[in-house]
Amino acid sequence: AQKVTQAQTEISVVEKEDVTLDCVYETRDTTYYLFWYKQPPSGELVFLIRRNSFDEQNEISGRYSWNFQKSTSSFNFTITASQVVDSAVYFCALSEEGLREKLTFGTGTRLTIIP
Amino acid sequence: NAGVTQTPKFQVLKTGQSMTLQCAQDMNHEYMSWYRQDPGMGLRLIHYSVGAGITDQGEVPNGYNVSRSTTEDFPLRLLSAAPSQTSVYFCASSYSKGRLFFGEGSRLTVL
Repeated sequence: AQKVTQAQTEISVVEKEDVTLDCVYETRDTTYYLFWYKQPPSGELVFLIRRNSFDEQNEISGRYSWNFQKSTSSFNFTITASQVVDSAVYFCALSEEGLREKLTFGTGTRLTIIP
Repeated sequence: NAGVTQTPKFQVLKTGQSMTLQCAQDMNHEYMSWYRQDPGMGLRLIHYSVGAGITDQGEVPNGYNVSRSTTEDFPLRLLSAAPSQTSVYFCASSYSKGRLFFGEGSRLTVL
């Protein structure tokens, strides 16, 4: 069975600080997909990134970066120079090759950026 | 661009009542699913469908029923509402590779 653990329930940082959100996953499959979604206070779920298990390259998108390490089964998300608009709940998720759309989500990390 | 549309956005029910949460997508996605979101528990999969006429159970299917008669629609039925079903419900669709497109959510309160 697949499982996603986000051990950080809530994080608060002062604006402009860097922050890393941790995600650890468990799966028996060799082919799988990892995701991050953002849920701002308005409540919608916004897709941020998808990675497959064969692509361990780190990815950077503006102030966002993701560090995928198969050796530690982790897919961490870093926000550089945080802004108040980054305040949200962030979910990490996992799906397996058999049904890529069947996502298992972590419990989420609530990030608060203090102005 | 409508995307995934859920109705109603808010609903209050009494224990034992039944209701249907509607979900429609206009992106011709084969895959659709329903999740519920509860505090501290993230999103949990209720039911999903890989195409018209095909549905399957997710992690927390008890008390819910679904059908998929068309590609566009995937309604979620609560058969006899219970307070434990108080939650925010999200419908999602996908065309491939796992990226889900979510609706805006439906907040259900069962008294």
